[in-house]
Amino acid sequence: GAGVSQSPSNKVTEKGKDVELRCDPISGHTALYWYRQSLGQGLEFLIYFQGNSAPDKSGLPSDRFSAERTGGSVSTLTIQRTQQEDSAVYLCASSLAHLSNQPQHFGDGTRLSIL
Amino acid sequence: GENVEQHPSTLSVQEGDSAVIKCTYSDSASNYFPWYKQELGKRPQLIIDIRSNVGEKKDQRIAVTLNKTAKHFSLHITETQPEDSAVYFCAASLTYKYIFGTGTRLKVLA
Repeated sequence: GAGVSQSPSNKVTEKGKDVELRCDPISGHTALYWYRQSLGQGLEFLIYFQGNSAPDKSGLPSDRFSAERTGGSVSTLTIQRTQQEDSAVYLCASSLAHLSNQPQHFGDGTRLSIL
Repeated sequence: GENVEQHPSTLSVQEGDSAVIKCTYSDSASNYFPWYKQELGKRPQLIIDIRSNVGEKKDQRIAVTLNKTAKHFSLHITETQPEDSAVYFCAASLTYKYIFGTGTRLKVLA
């Protein structure tokens, strides 16, 4: 009965390195979302998955960002050649279905710091 | 696209007083409006939501009102307590995508 699980909780890396962030949604939740939250800011939508498909990638900031989801469960957000402006908290959420009116449940996030 | 504005950005109230946070949205087709509470360093947690076919919803000390004509909705917290101190986010949704407001930092002063 666990909630949304994200790992790592913190990641510090050097500029130019690649990073992978992982999200384990609530069991049975078919919809999965990635958001970015910069310090003191709101939540910025990045990408949405329905099952293993990503019908909306419109929020990905650049082609350095990519995401995949396998088995309709775990998702990985990859940032290549990280830049300092990528520093933020990356939040994952899942919901029972992709339909409107379904509450999204968030994980604790990964705090990413680019040196 | 949808845009959500949230006011105020910060709000300080005395313990026991009421707090009101307001949001306006631009897309009249939006039909679902959740509110999240985020304590420092923690995940956003859903505290209440309202659908467009309802004008008001209450859950103990928390209530949300929706004015579809004016395209705004508000969060009301009565009898505030120190543990209500957090950042509150509103959101508007039509399909799967939530568009969030920029957040309100609420401080309840003991």
